[in-house]
Amino acid sequence: AQKITQTQPGMFVQEKEAVTLDCTYDTSDQSYGLFWYKQPSSGEMIFLIYQGSYDEQNATEGRYSLNFQKARKSANLVISASQLGDSAMYFCAGQNFVFGPGTRLSVLP
Amino acid sequence: NAGVTQTPKFRVLKTGQSMTLLCAQDMNHEYMYWYRQDPGMGLRLIHYSVGEGTTAKGEVPDGYNVSRLKKQNFLLGLESAAPSQTSVYFCASLLAGANVLTFGAGSRLTVL
Repeated sequence: AQKITQTQPGMFVQEKEAVTLDCTYDTSDQSYGLFWYKQPSSGEMIFLIYQGSYDEQNATEGRYSLNFQKARKSANLVISASQLGDSAMYFCAGQNFVFGPGTRLSVLP
Repeated sequence: NAGVTQTPKFRVLKTGQSMTLLCAQDMNHEYMYWYRQDPGMGLRLIHYSVGEGTTAKGEVPDGYNVSRLKKQNFLLGLESAAPSQTSVYFCASLLAGANVLTFGAGSRLTVL
């Protein structure tokens, strides 16, 4: 089973700056995927981005991009030009939809 | 609107009582999942189902039972509720071959 680790319980970033949220995974599978979800204070789970292990390029979705380093088994989320509305919990998840503990991002005005 | 609907949204139980949470999806998704989220924590997988009539254990299955008698419904049961089961429960579904879980809005359960 895939294990997901997020080592940053909380992060702060200044509005309009970029921020990287870390995620490492442990799997013996050759084919797998990594996901990022956002959970604002209202509680809903919002899908952000997906990266497949065989995808040659890093995934991007608007201001979100995934820095996928297969050799390091890391799939870090990069948020560019942070906005106040980005303040939320961010969860990394693996192919079997097991989630990491999350990182709380706070965007400062 | 199409999506995942959880009922009830809120429930307060006394220790030892039983209850069932219902998850319904109208997207014809094959896979369904039940998670719990404790305050300040991530989601932990309780049980999941890869199709009608099938269920499997997740990370934290103890104290819960599930059933998937119909493809669109995934029920989570607590036979004898304990205060440790106070949590927010999320249901999610997934179309086979797709990469995005669709989540319900969550059900907040308090066990006194």
